[in-house]
Amino acid sequence: EDKVVQSPLSLVVHEGDTVTLNCSYEVTNFRSLLWYKQEKKAPTFLFMLTSSGIEKKSGRLSSILDKKELFSILNITATQTGDSAVYLCAVNSGTYKYIFGTGTRLKVLA
Amino acid sequence: GAGVSQSPSNKVTEKGKDVELRCDPISGHTALYWYRQSLGQGLEFLIYFQGNSAPDKSGLPSDRFSAERTGGSVSTLTIQRTQQEDSAVYLCASSLTGGEVHGYTFGSGTRLTVV
Repeated sequence: EDKVVQSPLSLVVHEGDTVTLNCSYEVTNFRSLLWYKQEKKAPTFLFMLTSSGIEKKSGRLSSILDKKELFSILNITATQTGDSAVYLCAVNSGTYKYIFGTGTRLKVLA
Repeated sequence: GAGVSQSPSNKVTEKGKDVELRCDPISGHTALYWYRQSLGQGLEFLIYFQGNSAPDKSGLPSDRFSAERTGGSVSTLTIQRTQQEDSAVYLCASSLTGGEVHGYTFGSGTRLTVV
């Protein structure tokens, strides 16, 4: 059965800290991996990863995929209170459906 | 429209009543999805529409749940005889193709509370 596991489940840090969120997966036919940020209800798109070893970067956020070890990490440097959210990872196994992990809840304290 | 629009944003209903949730996808997006997110859980796939093809209903949890998509655009998710375990945020998403290339764009969701 295809699955996506995120860790940690929750994390509390102080402003300025760097955090690393993990997403590991087991799917039969990997095609792509997505990261979303969910602050209230609507998840907003962060990154799509398809190739190993190529870092995607957007401001203080970056992500990389390891297709051999079947995981991805999302890094956030110099965290701010506005980074507080649930970060969701989702994997596509060659169909139209993405399988979502349960998310990592990040809280950044001022 | 510019984004995926869902209504209502919040719905409180009594156990046993029927509810209808609406989703208006991004114009031109052929694929439409419904997901459910219960408290502290990941997103659970419910149903997928693609163009005029038969929908994939494999994620609907019971026969109390149904969905339709009229004219390849607006979709309605109906829950009959609601139960307390139906309380969740119902998210709609749309994509240009099947989502595997571009990912999804989500709406703001409907928070359903069954009392």
